[in-house]
Amino acid sequence: DIQMTQSPSTLSASVGDRVDITCRANQSISRWLAWYQQKPGKPPKVLIYQASSLDRRVPSRFSGSGSGTEFTLTISSLQPDDFATYYCQQYNEYPLAFGGGTKVDIK
Amino acid sequence: QDQLVQSGPEVKKPGASVKVSCQASGDHFTTYGITWVRQAPGQGLEWMGWISTYDGKTNYARNFQGRITLTTDKSTTTAFLEMRSLRSDDTAVYYCAREYKSGWLVFDYWGQGTLVTVSS
Repeated sequence: DIQMTQSPSTLSASVGDRVDITCRANQSISRWLAWYQQKPGKPPKVLIYQASSLDRRVPSRFSGSGSGTEFTLTISSLQPDDFATYYCQQYNEYPLAFGGGTKVDIK
Repeated sequence: QDQLVQSGPEVKKPGASVKVSCQASGDHFTTYGITWVRQAPGQGLEWMGWISTYDGKTNYARNFQGRITLTTDKSTTTAFLEMRSLRSDDTAVYYCAREYKSGWLVFDYWGQGTLVTVSS
């Protein structure tokens, strides 16, 4: 089974900061990777699919990159609404798998 | 407006079963597969399984194989998750979610979540 590892698990940042979150797969998943944002008490919300394609409802300060086994979610200028937990998910093959999550909190 | 509406919270005793529903509104119920994901308190997301709303084909996570059954009812555009032999560590919020595009295992519409509490 494919295992997804995110780092860091927690990240403290300020409004306006650039934030990078890494997701690694233990085998190649090509570009079959999605990123989600989740706020407390709410379901996840898709941000990015196919490693770098931005969902139409998501602000352009979010971007994704990578292929194979290493991927990055970047927030170019952190906004107050962005404090949340972020998850990657591989969909290259079954079983689907999520990373452990990265909580972005206020510095 | 497409949306998924899940059934209400459940409290079950260890060893019992639970059936959670997920009703889809909007068109094209049989176009997009549905997945189930759970989240234990303070923990991350755990994928449980997927079902084709077109032909009922399923794929289950190894951890849940034999203990869960995913079904759909096209007449009511509803998907169901049934879990048996509940344990205290099954206490979690259970989410259903719809494929972003048909055949793409990325999920854009999510239900509001159903809290299942397993306690004696």
